[in-house]
Amino acid sequence: DQQVKQNSPSLSVQEGRISILNCDYTNSMFDYFLWYKKYPAEGPTFLISISSIKDKNEDGRFTVFLNKSAKHLSLHIVPSQPGDSAVYFCAARPGGSEKLVFGKGTKLTVNP
Amino acid sequence: DGGITQSPKYLFRKEGQNVTLSCEQNLNHDAMYWYRQDPGQGLRLIYYSQIVNDFQKGDIAEGYSVSREKKESFPLTVTSAQKNPTAFYLCASTRRGGVRVTGELFFGEGSRLTVL
Repeated sequence: DQQVKQNSPSLSVQEGRISILNCDYTNSMFDYFLWYKKYPAEGPTFLISISSIKDKNEDGRFTVFLNKSAKHLSLHIVPSQPGDSAVYFCAARPGGSEKLVFGKGTKLTVNP
Repeated sequence: DGGITQSPKYLFRKEGQNVTLSCEQNLNHDAMYWYRQDPGQGLRLIYYSQIVNDFQKGDIAEGYSVSREKKESFPLTVTSAQKNPTAFYLCASTRRGGVRVTGELFFGEGSRLTVL
């Protein structure tokens, strides 16, 4: 049973436009959500996070939105740059847990 | 510079052989984790350790073993009992309290194991 779902395996956008990556979850016990970025043959790096008590968190070009009623979060990248091309993983933490549950990832390609 | 070092980066082994993947961190982190990534799959937790000499099974621990004799080191052994060991293995660490407190993991660059 996949608790964190990234239904789009890939996304392609033009440089300068907005990239929107989506993530749905099923476990209402998740209290913290994170986005990681991963380049090929490298480990993921933390990008941005949001607590379940908030609905938006912003860091430069990256904004994460959380809609708890819909059990949906999204990552917005504005403006998109070619260097943003990578696989993006959505992750969630069940409250009080030592584990993160990861989605399958979305491969973003930003075309010059 | 502080970070997490995984070695080797690439490893080939024959079926039936045990293999040990190294993970060392100099971040002074208390908690360490091993994840496995397969193509088209998310990261799945194998084992994690909050303190020295203590570790817990993750979601897919069968066929793997770990040790935590030093704070800096968390080696993973892929045993011959692991049915499908070919994968990309990622080691991670985080500050005191682990994921429960901070949520954020710091990852190494990974080790790709191919069993022939």
